[in-house]
Amino acid sequence: GAVVSQHPSRVICKSGTSVKIECRSLDFQATTMFWYRQFPKKSLMLMATSNEGSKATYEQGVEKDKFLINHASLTLSTLTVTSAHPEDSSFYICSAGRAGAEQYFGPGTRLTVT
Amino acid sequence: DAKTTQPPSMDCAEGRAANLPCNHSTISGNEYVYWYRQIHSQGPQYIIHGLKNNETNEMASLIITEDRKSSTLILPHATLRDTAVYYCIVLGSAGSARQLTFGSGTQLTVLP
Repeated sequence: GAVVSQHPSRVICKSGTSVKIECRSLDFQATTMFWYRQFPKKSLMLMATSNEGSKATYEQGVEKDKFLINHASLTLSTLTVTSAHPEDSSFYICSAGRAGAEQYFGPGTRLTVT
Repeated sequence: DAKTTQPPSMDCAEGRAANLPCNHSTISGNEYVYWYRQIHSQGPQYIIHGLKNNETNEMASLIITEDRKSSTLILPHATLRDTAVYYCIVLGSAGSARQLTFGSGTQLTVLP
């Protein structure tokens, strides 16, 4: 199947700093990428839909100014958690897809804010 | 997209078939049934999907009832590495242009 990578896999940052997470589709072009967040023992919750060349669409309750999404190319989307707080600590997962094929997920990024 | 209902947990002996049920009684005629699984601390992995007919691939088989109100994912010979949370998702179209809505899933534990 198609490969989606995320970087970094784990990151620890101090409260108040910003963290950027990259999501790449390695062997196909993805016009749409999705960002999910998962808290311990909970299911994945969609945060936003990232469309190449246009603004991201955020789910209700997700602050767009706090979770900055950029989808500058067909193979790369980035999520920046700005002014991170301990409650932002979570498992962040991206997925990428193309019409007529299954959606593929990245391995996830574990963010810990101290 | 139609809502799905899955048992919260199941156990299965290693080497035996694991049968994971999913109810989707409000599914409409053009909606597909997708199955993903998530091994602990990893991203979800696509398993299989179907519309009306039963499907089989190298990972699993998907049996969809004739009225399409329920389905069963079958792992024919479960191994310890199949321990994961399995998600049944109904999606209004084949293809991945739409986001997936994850329910609680079924925690499958394969026992040695």
